Amino acid sequence: AQTVTQSQPEMSVQEAETVTLSCTYDTSENNYYLFWYKQPPSRQMILVIRQEAYKQQNATENRFSVNFQKAAKSFSLKISDSQLGDTAMYFCAFMKFGYNTDKLIFGTGTRLQVFP
Amino acid sequence: NAGVTQTPKFRVLKTGQSMTLLCAQDMNHEYMYWYRQDPGMGLRLIHYSVGEGTTAKGEVPDGYNVSRLKKQNFLLGLESAAPSQTSVYFCASSPLAGGNEQYFGPGTRLTVT
Repeated sequence: AQTVTQSQPEMSVQEAETVTLSCTYDTSENNYYLFWYKQPPSRQMILVIRQEAYKQQNATENRFSVNFQKAAKSFSLKISDSQLGDTAMYFCAFMKFGYNTDKLIFGTGTRLQVFP
Repeated sequence: NAGVTQTPKFRVLKTGQSMTLLCAQDMNHEYMYWYRQDPGMGLRLIHYSVGEGTTAKGEVPDGYNVSRLKKQNFLLGLESAAPSQTSVYFCASSPLAGGNEQYFGPGTRLTVT
C-alpha cells in the first residue's frame, strides 16, 4: 500500500521570502503521479502543481516549483516570493498510474502561515 | 460553470439518523469521488465511481453507501449515523483516468451528536 508522509505540521514564512514544504512517499510502483493541493481557510481544495513520475524535469507553476527525487521518494514544494494569500494547508498526494486507479492518497498536511 | 457543488453545506444529525449528501458536477466528468477529512489527517477516500451506474469502495467505506444513477450526480448515504462519522465531506470529479486533476466541491460539515 502507498503512504504519503508530511513531517512538518506547521511552517511559517515572511512575505516575499521562500519556503519549502517536505513530502515523502512510499510505493513499489514505477509509474505514478504526485500532486500538491492547497486548502485555504475557505476549505476549497485547489490544485497547486502536478508531477508525472516518468518525467525527470521538475514541474513549475509560476511561483511554485517542486523538487522531485524519484530514487529518494521525495517530492518537496518550493514557494517563492511568498504572499499573504499563500496562507493555507498544503497537502501532498499520490496517485497510482493506470486505468480505474485515479485515487488520491493524501498526506496529513502542512499548515503554512505567511506573515507580513 | 458551477463546477462541483455539494448539498447541504452543514448538517447536524443525532446518532442513528440517516441522511444523503448530494454532489453534482457540470463538467461532464466520468469519475467522481467522496472523501472525508478529519482533524490532523488528510483526505481519505470513502467511495468512488468510474462512470454512470458504477461504484466502488475506497479506503474507508464502512457505514456509507453511494449511488451514481446519473452521470452528473454522486450521492453519499449514511443509513445510521454514528459520532465517528463527524467529519467534513468532500466530493470531487475528474475526466477519464490519466492522472488528471480532481476538482473538489466546497465540502459539507457534518456533526453527529
